[in-house]
Amino acid sequence: GAVVSQHPSWVICKSGTSVKIECRSLDFQATTMFWYRQFPKQSLMLMATSNEGSKATYEQGVEKDKFLINHASLTLSTLTVTSAHPEDSSFYICSARSGAGTYGYTFGSGTRLTVV
Amino acid sequence: DAKTTQPPSMDCAEGRAANLPCNHSTISGNEYVYWYRQIHSQGPQYIIHGLKNNETNEMASLIITEDRKSSTLILPHATLRDTAVYYCIVRVGVGTGNQFYFGTGTSLTVIP
Repeated sequence: GAVVSQHPSWVICKSGTSVKIECRSLDFQATTMFWYRQFPKQSLMLMATSNEGSKATYEQGVEKDKFLINHASLTLSTLTVTSAHPEDSSFYICSARSGAGTYGYTFGSGTRLTVV
Repeated sequence: DAKTTQPPSMDCAEGRAANLPCNHSTISGNEYVYWYRQIHSQGPQYIIHGLKNNETNEMASLIITEDRKSSTLILPHATLRDTAVYYCIVRVGVGTGNQFYFGTGTSLTVIP
C-alpha cells in the first residue's frame, strides 16, 4: 500500500535554532502534500498545503515565515521550523494523496518536536 | 473548518460491536464522509469513506442516513487494538487540493 515516510520521528532542539522535517511519498508521486500540527490531547490542525513546484498555501493564523515549506519534487516536501521556541513543541504530521479517486490520503507517522 | 460533531468518548466491550456516531448536518451534495483513526502518537489511519450509500470493507462498515446529515461507523468485533481516537471528516471528494479538516473526534476505549 501507499506509504508516507517522515523523518525524523522525533527531534529535540535548542530554542532559537531551526529544524527541518522531511515528508516523502515512497511509492507514489504526490503533487500535493499537507502539514498538520497536533498539541497533546488535541486534534490535528491543518497548517498548510504544499504544492510541488509552487508556493505553499497557509491556513489562517499560521506564520509562513516561521514555518517554511518546500515541495521541490513529486516525492518530497519539507517543513522547516525557524527560530524555534518552546511553544513550537508539538507533533507534526504530513499527508499526501495516495492515488486517483476518492480513496483518501495517507498520513506519515509524525515527528515529535521538543524545543528546550 | 471541521463540520462534524462527535461524542468525545465511548467505551466498548471487547468482542462487541462499536458504533461511533457522527453528525454532519451541513454536508453538501458533493462532500464525502471519511473516517480515520489515530492510535496514540501515530499518524491517522484511513478506515472507510462514503458518499450516500452504506459501505463495508475489511475494517468497518459505514452507515449514512438517507438525508446524509449523520453517519455511524461500525467496528463489528472490537479488539483492544481498536482503542484509538476516531475522526469523522466531510470533504469534497475529487481533486488533490481538497484538505481534510479534523474535528475533535471520539476517543474509543475497548475494555477487556
